[in-house]
Amino acid sequence: EAQLVESGGGLVQPGGSLRLSCAASGFSFSSYWMNWVRQVPGKGLEWVAIIKQDGSEIHYVDSVKGRFTISRDNARNSLYLQMSSLRAEDTAVYYCTGGPGWYPDYWGQGTLVTVSS
Amino acid sequence: DIVMTQSPLSLSVTPGEPASISCRSSQSVFHGTGYDSLDWYLQRPGQSPQLLIYLGSNRASGVPDRFSGSGSGTDFTLKISRVEAEDVGVYYCMQSLQTPITFGQGTRLEIK
Repeated sequence: EAQLVESGGGLVQPGGSLRLSCAASGFSFSSYWMNWVRQVPGKGLEWVAIIKQDGSEIHYVDSVKGRFTISRDNARNSLYLQMSSLRAEDTAVYYCTGGPGWYPDYWGQGTLVTVSS
Repeated sequence: DIVMTQSPLSLSVTPGEPASISCRSSQSVFHGTGYDSLDWYLQRPGQSPQLLIYLGSNRASGVPDRFSGSGSGTDFTLKISRVEAEDVGVYYCMQSLQTPITFGQGTRLEIK
């Protein structure tokens, strides 16, 4: 059974940094596009970033460009999101997601990031 | 950016009755290689979203056949032939033609 488990969320001050991790199992991680999608509690879904199977193609939503970095380690079946210069509006549940194409098929349970002083 | 607009934003359905959700994109999401990059997700209360329909009309693995997706270009519809209690939640359409990948606002389905 496919599983994605996020970790690394928590409370951080504005301007601070945080690194999210996602451990994948039960599917061929290296064959999947991987995404981060976030959701403010009680609100809708917002796509954040995507990375190709071999890491050679990466895209971000404009609001995080220059502040967030998506990366992956296929040897460790892991996805990462390095977040810096965090703002209050980055507060959300961050989901690790993956799919054979750009549409996510598998979703993790999410990890909450709270940016507040 | 492609803007996705869903309607209605909420609906209340009697079990066994059909339901329909519309999704419109601000520009065509038809991919040059012959499919629409339009997907549907259901987020049940307290859970992560799950894929229902991908590339316009393909049911994801394990999704009951009472769910169907149709449409092309800019107008799409998710239909539930007979609503069941477990169908409660928020339904999202999403375009994956180009980045930024964008979602509709969500449609909340409740049971009467």
